[in-house]
Amino acid sequence: EVQLVETGGGLIQPGGSLRLSCIASGFSVSTNYMTWVRQAPGQGLEWLSVIFSGGSTYYADSVKGRFTISRDDSKNRVSLQMNSLRGEDTAVYYCARDSGAGIKDWGQGTLVTVSS
Amino acid sequence: DIVMTQSPDSLAVSLGERATINCKSSQSILNSSNKKNSLAWYQQKPGQPPKLLIYWAFTRESGVPDRFSGSGSGTDFTLTISSLQAEDVAVYYCQQYYRTPITFGQGTRLEIK
Repeated sequence: EVQLVETGGGLIQPGGSLRLSCIASGFSVSTNYMTWVRQAPGQGLEWLSVIFSGGSTYYADSVKGRFTISRDDSKNRVSLQMNSLRGEDTAVYYCARDSGAGIKDWGQGTLVTVSS
Repeated sequence: DIVMTQSPDSLAVSLGERATINCKSSQSILNSSNKKNSLAWYQQKPGQPPKLLIYWAFTRESGVPDRFSGSGSGTDFTLTISSLQAEDVAVYYCQQYYRTPITFGQGTRLEIK
């Protein structure tokens, strides 16, 4: 059974940093497209970043230069390093497996609140 | 970036009636290599992550009831629920995966009339 479990969310002050982790089971992150999507309170879905099986990474303009996606194949884990956090980064962050034809598997999400 | 625009923003339909949600992309999302449109539909219920319903514009994901169907091509797409059930109350999103950045529509809230 495919499972994705995100950890690392919490309350952080503006300008701070946070690292989200996503542990995958039931498949290998190394051979899949792994992505992060967020959803601000009461708002829609925003795609943030993807790491392809070959290791290439892409980012939304809203987080480019501040967020970094990475992968640890030995731990079957994907991470999102978030720096220079702003109030508008407050959201539920989802880790997901992108099939290349839609996002088929999603974690339950972890809430990040950026506030002083 | 490819902008995805859904209409309407909200919709109220009687149980057993048809619900139709539209999605328009700012440019063609027709994949020239496989001649398929890179368009997916998701359903999201409160407190849950989104669930993939449809991909390649009309291919139903495994386990999705056949009352859900997708259609359209090029820049205009539609999600149809043929006979609305109570459990279909949710927010629905379209998404293009033609190119990065992947983009979603703003969502359509579907309620029971």
